[in-house]
Amino acid sequence: GIQVEQSPPDLILQEGANSTLRCNFSDSVNNLQWFHQNPWGQLINLFYIPSGTKQNGRLSATTVATERYSLLYISSSQTTDSGVYFCAVLNDYKLSFGAGTTVTVRA
Amino acid sequence: DTAVSQTPKYLVTQMGNDKSIKCEQNLGHDTMYWYKQDSKKFLKIMFSYNNKELIINETVPNRFSPKSPDKAHLNLHINSLELGDSAVYFCASSQAGQGSHEQYFGPGTRLTVT
Repeated sequence: GIQVEQSPPDLILQEGANSTLRCNFSDSVNNLQWFHQNPWGQLINLFYIPSGTKQNGRLSATTVATERYSLLYISSSQTTDSGVYFCAVLNDYKLSFGAGTTVTVRA
Repeated sequence: DTAVSQTPKYLVTQMGNDKSIKCEQNLGHDTMYWYKQDSKKFLKIMFSYNNKELIINETVPNRFSPKSPDKAHLNLHINSLELGDSAVYFCASSQAGQGSHEQYFGPGTRLTVT
């Protein structure tokens, strides 16, 4: 199956800092999603981004499908950004998830 | 207003019991899924149904049986529960075919087997 690797595994940020999360995948995929799992366990859709760049407020994402990676940018981080960020790639109806990046934003 | 809902949110039960988790989506999607999130937060697909037909059945013990009475519902029944079944179970849905295939997740059901 497709391998999905996320880095770094853990990230500690001071409020207001910027950061970049990376997702590498091992094969061609139909689509790619980024999720935020908040401290209450909810999985929140951030981006559906098979290719190109998208922005939503302080978050943006870029996927370069030909080079099999995606990046998630968090700017001016806030404590509410804390949680686990997952990258997931779609192939044959199945979403294969990375292990996640745990982000802790300190006030 | 909830797009994908699951019941119950929490389930605590003893080994050997049989339990069910229900899932409903009001997004008009034609494909539904069950995922399992283990204690290390790793998420893995278990089953998928498209228009009430099983299309994905990963390596899951046959104690787990999904049932889709219609396109909007996908339930998960678990027989003879074991300690290792303790996890968070997420239901999801998407529109396959010409759709974007973006998957939307329910709030999860935390199953604890004692």
